[in-house]
Amino acid sequence: AQKVTQAQTEISVVEKEDVTLDCVYETRDTTYYLFWYKQPPSGELVFLIRRNSFDEQNEISGRYSWNFQKSTSSFNFTITASQVVDSAVYFCALSVEFGNEKLTFGTGTRLTIIP
Amino acid sequence: GAVVSQHPSWVICKSGTSVKIECRSLDFQATTMFWYRQFPKQSLMLMATSNEGSKATYEQGVEKDKFLINHASLTLSTLTVTSAHPEDSSFYICSAHGLADQFFGPGTRLTVL
Repeated sequence: AQKVTQAQTEISVVEKEDVTLDCVYETRDTTYYLFWYKQPPSGELVFLIRRNSFDEQNEISGRYSWNFQKSTSSFNFTITASQVVDSAVYFCALSVEFGNEKLTFGTGTRLTIIP
Repeated sequence: GAVVSQHPSWVICKSGTSVKIECRSLDFQATTMFWYRQFPKQSLMLMATSNEGSKATYEQGVEKDKFLINHASLTLSTLTVTSAHPEDSSFYICSAHGLADQFFGPGTRLTVL
């Protein structure tokens, strides 16, 4: 069975600060896929990134960056120069199937950016 | 880009009634759709996998007779909550799998009085 742990339930930072959201996963499969989603107050999930287990390269997309470390089974997400619009619940998720991906979600981290 | 719609976006019903939620992939065919449930301030939990033309596969602990899933076409899956009770009040989210990616619907908020 798969498991995703997001130990940070809630985080608050002042606008323009950097913030890192932690994600630790467990799986016995050697091939797997990791995801991050943003869920604003409207409820709709916004896809942020998918990373497969064979690609440990860190990724940067604008103010967002992801650090994937298989050695520690972590897939952390950093927002630099945070903005109020970044306030949302962020979910890390894991799938071990390519094609028809059943996602195992973490419990989410509620991020509040204080103006 | 690909869009997945859900209808209705919210519904309030009396205890004991049945509620049908539709999930449509608008510009792609989805052989597989997933149904998730999210209780307030909690994570998303997979309820079932819906495959076009075959019976849905339910996750452990999900009552298949209570949550009826019908995947009648490559663009439509429906979830019917039968004899709904207040504990079924939740946010129901579907996702549809296209060629390479999975797309989520906007969710349906169900409140059972």
